[in-house]
Amino acid sequence: DAGVIQSPRHEVTEMGQEVTLRCKPISGHDYLFWYRQTMMRGLELLIYFNNNVPIDDSGMPEDRFSAKMPNASFSTLKIQPSEPRDSAVYFCASSPGGFKETQYFGPGTRLLVL
Amino acid sequence: AQSVTQLGSHVSVSEGALVLLRCNYSSSVPPYLFWYVQYPNQGLQLLLKYTTGATLVKGINGFEAEFKKSETSFHLTKPSAHMSDAAEYFCAVKGGTASKLTFGTGTRLQVTL
Repeated sequence: DAGVIQSPRHEVTEMGQEVTLRCKPISGHDYLFWYRQTMMRGLELLIYFNNNVPIDDSGMPEDRFSAKMPNASFSTLKIQPSEPRDSAVYFCASSPGGFKETQYFGPGTRLLVL
Repeated sequence: AQSVTQLGSHVSVSEGALVLLRCNYSSSVPPYLFWYVQYPNQGLQLLLKYTTGATLVKGINGFEAEFKKSETSFHLTKPSAHMSDAAEYFCAVKGGTASKLTFGTGTRLQVTL
């Protein structure tokens, strides 16, 4: 299996622009997670889905952030409008069903908002 | 509620020396515990996990961890460090049937000659 795929790997944009991050989970995995990693705040869970349905979005920082999972093989995280403080590495992870299961992480998208 | 504390944001060891990375957890239900490693510019990779059963868990690259309920600890060890072990290590806890992982703040391991 190719693992979790994220695109783009790097994104540089200007403040106010819309940013869309993409994730393809491992086939057959029921759960999909979006994380943000910064030096100041470490690794934060933003939102997670089960069977394409958002379960917990309490980590989404504000209304500028939105996430969708239109089908089992694709998810997006959108920031509109972007701000410099959104600069971070964004990870997508997926996991099979079952609470003992491991989360498998993608390589991340490094976002820089100027 | 669950939480993880990793003692020491930076640990430096000599090549060939013992590696000990500390993790203490808090969970109101029996925990599932994980150690992940992150190499520069990469995603997190599972090293090992404890769910149930044997409290000494062996993982990849010669790492192991022991679940000690009485001490609420899950420290990561490796008998002999290698230069390739230099990375950031994250301890994480999942409480019972919860799907969410709670991560510690990470420990950066430096290995010197």
